[in-house]
Amino acid sequence: TQLLEQSPQFLSIQEGENLTVYCNSSSVFSSLQWYRQEPGEGPVLLVTVVTGGEVKKLKRLTFQFGDARKDSSLHITAAQTGDTGLYLCAGATSGTYKYIFGTGTRLKVLA
Amino acid sequence: EAGVAQSPRYKIIEKRQSVAFWCNPISGHATLYWYQQILGQGPKLLIQFQNNGVVDDSQLPKDRFSAERLKGVDSTLKIQPAKLEDSAVYLCASSPIYGGQREETQYFGPGTRLLVL
Repeated sequence: TQLLEQSPQFLSIQEGENLTVYCNSSSVFSSLQWYRQEPGEGPVLLVTVVTGGEVKKLKRLTFQFGDARKDSSLHITAAQTGDTGLYLCAGATSGTYKYIFGTGTRLKVLA
Repeated sequence: EAGVAQSPRYKIIEKRQSVAFWCNPISGHATLYWYQQILGQGPKLLIQFQNNGVVDDSQLPKDRFSAERLKGVDSTLKIQPAKLEDSAVYLCASSPIYGGQREETQYFGPGTRLLVL
C-alpha cells in the first residue's frame, strides 16, 4: 500500500510570509493532484501535475512534481489569510489512475 | 451549475445504532465516490461507482457498511451497526468522466460529520 506523507503536518505563519509544503512517497505516481479543504467543506482541486519535473503556477501558488515522480511541493508566495486551510496531495499510480490522498498539511495564516 | 449535495450535514448517534447518508452528485456525472475522513487525516476511499455499478469497494468494511447508487444518480451510504471508530466526516464526490483517467477532477460535497457516542 503506497503512503503519501506530507510535511509539515501543521504550519502557522504571518501574512506576507512564504511557505513550502511537501508531499513524499516511495512509490512512483503517474500524476499528482493538490487540493485545499476549508473547515466544513469538501476538498477543492487546485492543480494536477503529470510530467516529472513539471512546474505549474496558479497566481501565488507554485506546484512542482519531482523528476522521479515520487514527490511534489507546493510553494505559496506572500501568504494571505484566505490561504488558510488543509492542503492535501493525492497521487495516482500507473495503470490505475486511482488517487490516494496524503496525510494533509494544516496551514493557518495570521493577519 | 449546482454542486454535490449531501445530507444530513451533521449526525450524532450512539454506538450500535444505524445511520444513513445521502448524496446527490452533479448532474450527468458518471462516477461517484464515498470517502471517510477521520479528523487530522486525508480522505480514504470507501467505494467508487461508475453509473450504478461498483468499480472499487476494496476498503469498504462490508460487515457494517453498505452503499448503493440506484439508477446511476443519487447514492446512499449506510452504517449498521455503528462503532465509535466510525466517527468521521463522510465525503461524497463525483466526476464527469469515468474514474481512473489521468487528469480526472473530482468535485466534493461538503460532507456529513458523524459522531458516534
